[in-house]
Amino acid sequence: GESVGLHLPTLSVQEGDNSIINCAYSNSASDYFIWYKQESGKGPQFIIDIRSNMDKRQGQRVTVLLNKTVKHLSLQIAATQPGDSAVYFCAENGAGGGNKLTFGTGTQLKVEL
Amino acid sequence: DADVTQTPRNRITKTGKRIMLECSQTKGHDRMYWYRQDPGLGLRLIYYSFDVKDINKGEISDGYSVSRQAQAKFSLSLESAIPNQTALYFCATRPDREETQYFGPGTRLLVL
Repeated sequence: GESVGLHLPTLSVQEGDNSIINCAYSNSASDYFIWYKQESGKGPQFIIDIRSNMDKRQGQRVTVLLNKTVKHLSLQIAATQPGDSAVYFCAENGAGGGNKLTFGTGTQLKVEL
Repeated sequence: DADVTQTPRNRITKTGKRIMLECSQTKGHDRMYWYRQDPGLGLRLIYYSFDVKDINKGEISDGYSVSRQAQAKFSLSLESAIPNQTALYFCATRPDREETQYFGPGTRLLVL
């Protein structure tokens, strides 16, 4: 079946550096994608989303890039801070519209001081 | 942010026991979801509801049941808990005209 996957399970970056977290999706019918942040002991927190009619969307210190040609999604975090340490995962709405989301397994981001 | 609350936050139970996990929301969203999260796996959908009279099975509904008592409340029950139901359980809500889902803090369940 369709799946959402992540390239790297763990990413370590130095404080102040930029982070890039990647996500591959396989459902070409997906037209909506979300990035979530999950801190230890907490529920997933919405970060940013993007629709398939866009290639890029920016938020506060975060940018999501969508490459539909290769079915690839990335989350860029500028000037990574210790508070950014968490698991990040992407989700797609899959076929049939936005009733359900399919979630990736997540990437652990570790920020080194 | 306590828009979506879950009780209890932690629960230890024994095999064969019936337990209920509760979810309440103040967001006024019609759509509510129950997921479980296991190490190394993405969130998996158990049940979802679009309104009080609408309940739908997700990909892993076996062994679970739900009740949508009101727009703001969506409960998940394990009729006879088994050890492989040990997991983190999350409730989420979603407004009708959006696709973003908003999650509660989770319930950590251990079945012995």
